[in-house]
Amino acid sequence: RKEVEQDPGPFNVPEGATVAFNCTYSNSASQSFFWYRQDCRKEPKLLMSVYSSGNEDGRFTAQLNRASQYISLLIRDSKLSDSATYLCVVNMPPGNTPLVFGKGTRLSVIA
Amino acid sequence: DGGITQSPKYLFRKEGQNVTLSCEQNLNHDAMYWYRQDPGQGLRLIYYSQIVNDFQKGDIAEGYSVSREKKESFPLTVTSAQKNPTAFYLCASSWDSHMNTEAFFGQGTRLTVV
Repeated sequence: RKEVEQDPGPFNVPEGATVAFNCTYSNSASQSFFWYRQDCRKEPKLLMSVYSSGNEDGRFTAQLNRASQYISLLIRDSKLSDSATYLCVVNMPPGNTPLVFGKGTRLSVIA
Repeated sequence: DGGITQSPKYLFRKEGQNVTLSCEQNLNHDAMYWYRQDPGQGLRLIYYSQIVNDFQKGDIAEGYSVSREKKESFPLTVTSAQKNPTAFYLCASSWDSHMNTEAFFGQGTRLTVV
């Protein structure tokens, strides 16, 4: 099983739609979870951390389900500017090893 | 402004030549990383460093070398032994040497072998 798995998409949604992505991770001991956004030919940028109780930042909501080992990202009222690739990132204990990045889910918001 | 600076943004290299990519950060971060990204692919870890004068191989270290003589600098050398070096190279850093905190990326260097 891959360490961090994401549906590559693309997800093509109209403006104003709500869209959700899931990401599964293999390590039950993982403690740190993040969503990054990467625009075409640019560097990844942190979108939000994912906390155990779930967290919201404007139109974006992140949730963690430890029992099923997945995290989710919900985007409400999609904007054209939300079009990007969304990367799921997880730490992989034991020991001090770098965060593991998923391959990303591509989102296209269409006018 | 604090951040991570990679240079150059674009680099062309002839086959058989070594080339060094620069990465500097003024965030006072302990950990630094190098990733490679190929078109339509995810990030693959080349090398990482948790502390000055120490670094570890990542998943695809063959054909690459690094040094960490200063906290703020983590240059990557792409050697002639790297069989397919054309790619987008991303440097990142995180403040925590345990590497559980978020990583911040430079703008990347796009290397093309001609």
